[in-house]
Amino acid sequence: GAVVSQHPSRVICKSGTSVKIECRSLDFQATTMFWYRQFPKQSLMLMATSNEGSKATYEQGVEKDKFLINHASLTLSTLTVTSAHPEDSSFYICSQGPGQGETQYFGPGTRLLVL
Amino acid sequence: AQKVTQAQTEISVVEKEDVTLDCVYETRDTTYYLFWYKQPPSGELVFLIRRNSFDEQNEISGRYSWNFQKSTSSFNFTITASQVVDSAVYFCALYSSGSARQLTFGSGTQLTVLP
Repeated sequence: GAVVSQHPSRVICKSGTSVKIECRSLDFQATTMFWYRQFPKQSLMLMATSNEGSKATYEQGVEKDKFLINHASLTLSTLTVTSAHPEDSSFYICSQGPGQGETQYFGPGTRLLVL
Repeated sequence: AQKVTQAQTEISVVEKEDVTLDCVYETRDTTYYLFWYKQPPSGELVFLIRRNSFDEQNEISGRYSWNFQKSTSSFNFTITASQVVDSAVYFCALYSSGSARQLTFGSGTQLTVLP
């Protein structure tokens, strides 16, 4: 399957600061990448679809001004959590795809803790 | 609307036992894909299998096997002779080529294999 990396793997920040998470497709040019959020002991929730060279598509209830997504190249999508608050603490995971048979391959995830 | 139900929240088995994880799905589309992903404690989602709606053949891969039955809208996953390393959360997911066009996850099943 495809290889996706995320950086950082873990980040702790103070409330009110912004945090940028990078998602890289290492072996595939991804015109589309997806961002998910997962709270403890819960399933993955799609936040937005990142499209290379155009605006991201956000799911209902996700604030686009708070979660800024940039997909400037075929191998890199970034998610910036602006003015982070403790309730933004979560596991953020990106995926590349869809590939063959609509398969998505996921990055290792980023654990965000906002103090 | 599409939906995936994993009724088993947590399962515990003793090593070497067989275990089946249930997955029931709902979709109005005739073309769709079903997936199983494994999420170990590290958090990364590992792709296990993909099945399209036109292929009801069951599949076996080592100790893993999958039973796809369209008549009951189920896509169950069996691990034979379970091992401690199988301990993880397992997610069933559905992608429909129709209006949804996104990966819908079940709530996940936490499998614990005891030595």
